[in-house]
This record gives sequence, structure tokens and C-alpha cells, in this order.
Amino acid sequence: AQKVTQAQTEISVVEKEDVTLDCVYETRDTTYYLFWYKQPPSGELVFLIRRNSFDEQNEISGRYSWNFQKSTSSFNFTITASQVVDSAVYFCALSEGSNFGNEKLTFGTGTRLTIIP
Amino acid sequence: ETGVTQTPRHLVMGMTNKKSLKCEQHLGHNAMYWYKQSAKKPLELMFVYNFKEQTENNSVPSRFSPECPNSSHLFLHLHTLQPEDSALYLCASSPLGQRGYQETQYFGPGTRLLVL
Repeated sequence: AQKVTQAQTEISVVEKEDVTLDCVYETRDTTYYLFWYKQPPSGELVFLIRRNSFDEQNEISGRYSWNFQKSTSSFNFTITASQVVDSAVYFCALSEGSNFGNEKLTFGTGTRLTIIP
Repeated sequence: ETGVTQTPRHLVMGMTNKKSLKCEQHLGHNAMYWYKQSAKKPLELMFVYNFKEQTENNSVPSRFSPECPNSSHLFLHLHTLQPEDSALYLCASSPLGQRGYQETQYFGPGTRLLVL
């Protein structure tokens, strides 16, 4: 069975600080996919990134970066120079390779990030 | 601008009411999903539709009845709900991909439901 753990329930940092959101996953499959979504107060889940299990290269997108470590089953997300607009709930999710590309996503419980001006 | 829209955004209903939630995607996708997000719980998948056919029902009570008339529209019909059904209901869509390749799901803004 697959599982995603986001141990940090809430994090608060002062604006312009860097912050890392942790995600640890469990799966028995060798082919799997990891995702990060952002949920602002409006409620919509905004897709941030998808990473497959064969690609351990870290990725940077502007102020966002992701560190995928298969050895520790982690897929951590770092925001550098945080801004108030980054305040949201962030979800890490996992899915296993599927027949039609529509396997269900298993979500963590989310980390509520508050950026203090 | 979101490619997945949901109406209504907020809904209050009594336990004896019948209501429907609507989802529409403008992304040309062929798979659609209903998720339930309750306070302090992970998002739970409820239903999956591929090309209008239901392919997954995640042990959802029969008081929730989905309908997918075409690949762009998805409904969730509600009747005789319980207060514990109060939650944010999120719709998502994705392309149908190749075997072994997981497509990205794109979500709508959700319907916040309160059952009194």
C-alpha cells in the first residue's frame, strides 16, 4: 500500500526566509510518480511539479526547488526568499504506474505554510 | 484562469434535501475525478471516470451518486446526506495516457458543502 507522510502540520516563517517542506513516501512499486500541489485559501489545488521514480534529478523553478532522494524515500520542497503569496497549504502526493495514466493519487495531510510580513 | 470549474462554490443543505454538484473541464481531458477533502484528513478519492465510464468507486456510500454524461462534464448527485459529509468536494481531470505513465490531475476550486 502506498502512503505519504507530511510530518510538518504548520510552519510559519518571516518573509524572505527560506523554508523546506518535508515529504516522505512509501510504495512497493518501482515505477511511481510524486507530485506537489499548492492549495491557497480559495480552495483550488494548483499543480506545482511531477517527478517520476526514474528521474532523481533535482529541479528548480524560480524560487521553488525540489529534492528527490530515493535512498530516503523523500521528496522535499524548498521555497527560497519566501513571500506572503506563498502562504497556503501544500500537499505532497504519490501514485503508482497505471494502465491508463489515471491511477489515484494518495495525498499527505498537507503542511500549512504561513509567511509573516 | 482555471481549466476546471465547479458550481456551486458553496452549498448548505438539510439532510433530507437533494442537490447536485457540477464540474466542467475545458482542457480536452478524458478522465475526471471526484475527491472529498475533510478537515484534518487527507484528500480521499471518491470516483474516477474514463471516457464517461466509471472505473473506480472508492467504497463511497450510495447517497453520493456520480454522473458523467460526456468527457467534459461530471456531476455528483447528493441525497439524504449526513452532517459528517460536510467537506470540500474537489473535481479534477487529466488526460488518459499510456500504460504505466501517470498523467497529472488538474483540480477545480471545489464546492464547500455544509450539511445541517
